[in-house]
Amino acid sequence: SQQGEEDPQALSIQEGENATMNCSYKTSINNLQWYRQNSGRGLVHLILIRSNEREKHSGRLRVTLDTSKKSSSLLITASRAADTASYFCATDGKGAQKLVFGQGTRLTINP
Amino acid sequence: DGGITQSPKYLFRKEGQNVTLSCEQNLNHDAMYWYRQDPGQGLRLIYYSQIVNDFQKGDIAEGYSVSREKKESFPLTVTSAQKNPTAFYLCASSTSEWGQRYYGYTFGSGTRLTVV
Repeated sequence: SQQGEEDPQALSIQEGENATMNCSYKTSINNLQWYRQNSGRGLVHLILIRSNEREKHSGRLRVTLDTSKKSSSLLITASRAADTASYFCATDGKGAQKLVFGQGTRLTINP
Repeated sequence: DGGITQSPKYLFRKEGQNVTLSCEQNLNHDAMYWYRQDPGQGLRLIYYSQIVNDFQKGDIAEGYSVSREKKESFPLTVTSAQKNPTAFYLCASSTSEWGQRYYGYTFGSGTRLTVV
């Protein structure tokens, strides 16, 4: 089945630096979404980018989508300790109304 | 405030028991979903429902059952046929209106199930 795969699996940076996570997927999509999960908690929706969009911003978040390469990236600028979490990309399939999640990137922001 | 509530937060199951996890939403969402998450892993879809009295199997439905008698509620039963049920279970809901009004899933806070 189609699945997003995040890269890297783990990322550790200093507070204030930018963090970039990548996601690749296998089949055509309607949209791609990014979620954050703090340890032991539910997921929180961060941003949705549609297949006809190439870039989207929300606060310190910037998402890009390249449908020709079937890939997306999430950039968090000026990272903070509170950004420490796991980040997941999720994709739907054309005509499908359910999301498939990747394995996630564990982001650690060091103070 | 609108949201999605899962209960209990922690659940312990003995071998051979069936247990039911609750999921309730007041977001007026048509679609609801159950995912399983194992340590350090992504989410795998168990069951989903797009409308009352209808639901479909996901990728790992064996050993699980669901019902959707009310729009607000989508309980998940982990049966004794599920041989490795220890995991973190997440319920989510969304509008089924695909297009500009669709804004992704809202998740509950999860239920951690442990076999004892």
